[in-house]
Amino acid sequence: QKEVEQDPGPLSVPEGAIVSLNCTYSNSAFQYFMWYRQYSRKGPELLMYTYSSGNKEDGRFTAQVDKSSKYISLFIRDSQPSDSATYLCAMSPGNQFYFGTGTSLTVIP
Amino acid sequence: NAGVTQTPKFQVLKTGQSMTLQCAQDMNHNSMYWYRQDPGMGLRLIYYSASEGTTDKGEVPNGYNVSRLNKREFSLRLESAAPSQTSVYFCASSAQGSWTDTQYFGPGTRLTVL
Repeated sequence: QKEVEQDPGPLSVPEGAIVSLNCTYSNSAFQYFMWYRQYSRKGPELLMYTYSSGNKEDGRFTAQVDKSSKYISLFIRDSQPSDSATYLCAMSPGNQFYFGTGTSLTVIP
Repeated sequence: NAGVTQTPKFQVLKTGQSMTLQCAQDMNHNSMYWYRQDPGMGLRLIYYSASEGTTDKGEVPNGYNVSRLNKREFSLRLESAAPSQTSVYFCASSAQGSWTDTQYFGPGTRLTVL
C-alpha cells in the first residue's frame, strides 16, 4: 500500500466552478501537509502548507486536514483557466516528504 | 535571482552510458534534494544533502551517486544507465535542514534511456 493515495483524474471543470482535490494516507505519524501545483513541463511549486487538523485559507484556496480520517483536501473557489495544472499533495512525519501521484485539473473557459 | 537551475533539460542515453545531472541554486539554501517523477508513482526522493558536506540516501538511491560540490551545487550521477532510469529528474532546495521547510524545485531534466 502506498503511503499517500491520490486520484490522478483527469478532472475537467467549467470556469468559476468549485474544485475539490483529495488525498488519503495511511501513516498516522504524518504531521505536515502540503499542496503543490505543477504546470506542464515545469517543477512543482508550493501552494499551501499546514501542520494541524482544520482549515487554512489563502485567497481562493482552502486546505483542509482531517487527521482522524487520514484525509486531506484542497478546495479552489471561482476556478480560473490559469488553475489548469497538476496538483500534488505531500506530507511528512518530519524526516522525509511523501508525495501523491498528482491530480490533473483542466478549467475550461 | 534564477532560483534552482538544472542542466541539461533533455537527454537521451543508451543503456550502460554514464552521465551527470547538474543542479545549482542561488538562494543560499543549506539543503538540496534530487527526486525522480514517474507516471503513477509520484515524486520519489533519490538522495538529499541536509548541508554542505553531507549526503544521505532517500527512497530510491540504487543506481545513483551524488556530490555536494559546494553550497550552491548538487550533482546526480548515473554510472551505468538502465531503461528503468527513464524519468523526469527534479532538483530542489530548502533554506534549512528541516523537512517542514518550503522546497523550491528546478524545471526538471527529462532523461530517456534506450
